[in-house]
Amino acid sequence: DAGVIQSPRHEVTEMGQEVTLRCKPISGHNSLFWYRQTMMRGLELLIYFNNNVPIDDSGMPEDRFSAKMPNASFSTLKIQPSEPRDSAVYFCASRTSGIDTGELFFGEGSRLTVL
Amino acid sequence: SQQGEEDPQALSIQEGENATMNCSYKTSINNLQWYRQNSGRGLVHLILIRSNEREKHSGRLRVTLDTSKKSSSLLITASRAADTASYFCATANQAGTALIFGKGTTLSVSS
Repeated sequence: DAGVIQSPRHEVTEMGQEVTLRCKPISGHNSLFWYRQTMMRGLELLIYFNNNVPIDDSGMPEDRFSAKMPNASFSTLKIQPSEPRDSAVYFCASRTSGIDTGELFFGEGSRLTVL
Repeated sequence: SQQGEEDPQALSIQEGENATMNCSYKTSINNLQWYRQNSGRGLVHLILIRSNEREKHSGRLRVTLDTSKKSSSLLITASRAADTASYFCATANQAGTALIFGKGTTLSVSS
């Protein structure tokens, strides 16, 4: 299996621009998570989906952030408009859902720099 | 909010030495997981220990869990330069549906 695939790996943009990050989970996994990693705050859970349905988006920092999962093999995280404080590494992760919280499989991340 | 907190924040050792990292958490858990992150890469699952287990081994890794103290430790024996990475503990959120990570321990192993 190819693992969780994220794109782009690196994005540099200017403040005010729209940013779209993409994720393809592992086939057969029905739970998908978006995390943000910074030196100051560590790994923060932004939002997660179960069977393509958003379950908890309480970690999304502001209305400028939105996430969608139109089908089982694709998810996007959008920031509009972007700000310098959004600079971070954004990770997508997936797993099979179950009663217990099992192993998460992470992508390699999208490093976002907002100038 | 962080559920688990690792200690120490950073650890530097020589090859062949053992490395011990600790994790404390706040609420009751069903399991606790450890992950490794190499520089510039995604997190990789290392080991999962359930709340009814006290110790678990996987290769050179040994994990202990003390639910009475709400703490866990990860021991890497006979460390190698390739073990240089950040190590994170993770537990479930209150709903039991997502993993919450600590800020990690950065391990540096020099040859």
